[in-house]
Amino acid sequence: RKEVEQDPGPFNVPEGATVAFNCTYSNSASQSFFWYRQDCRKEPKLLMSVYSSGNEDGRFTAQLNRASQYISLLIRDSKLSDSATYLCVVNLMNTGFQKLVFGTGTRLLVSP
Amino acid sequence: DAGVIQSPRHEVTEMGQEVTLRCKPISGHNSLFWYRQTMMRGLELLIYFNNNVPIDDSGMPEDRFSAKMPNASFSTLKIQPSEPRDSAVYFCASSSDGVYQPQHFGDGTRLSIL
Repeated sequence: RKEVEQDPGPFNVPEGATVAFNCTYSNSASQSFFWYRQDCRKEPKLLMSVYSSGNEDGRFTAQLNRASQYISLLIRDSKLSDSATYLCVVNLMNTGFQKLVFGTGTRLLVSP
Repeated sequence: DAGVIQSPRHEVTEMGQEVTLRCKPISGHNSLFWYRQTMMRGLELLIYFNNNVPIDDSGMPEDRFSAKMPNASFSTLKIQPSEPRDSAVYFCASSSDGVYQPQHFGDGTRLSIL
């Protein structure tokens, strides 16, 4: 089983739609979680950290379910500029040092 | 603020040649990471330094790959000799210590080995 698994998509949605991505992780000792966004031919950029209580940043909401070992990202009122690949990232914090494991990403295409 | 700086942005060379990729982390960050990204394998961690010391190099593909961090503001990833299968985008990232600290990526080096 992969350490971090995501549906590769693509998710095709119209502007204004709400879309949700899930990500599962296998190591119950995982300590912290992030969502990154990657545009075509660009570097991954931090979108938001994911906190245990869930957190919101504008149109974006991230949730963490430790019991079921999954993380979700909800995007409301999708914009054309949201089209990108969304990477789920888990920090294993192995032996006192960071070990970030990246999922392969979920591709989102927002159309007019 | 300056982000992670990588050079060169693009490199095209013939197989068998030595390739050196360079990275300057964000000032004050004490962890540095080298990644490789391809369509087939996604983003793979190659090596991770903390306070200039290599902590985890289990992702380095083979002996042809080597990485150094002589000081807190500079790291290199070297491939010698290079092969066509090494063609990929190579990213450098840095972060502060702490489990909740995210990594910040450079623009990447697009490497093509002919």
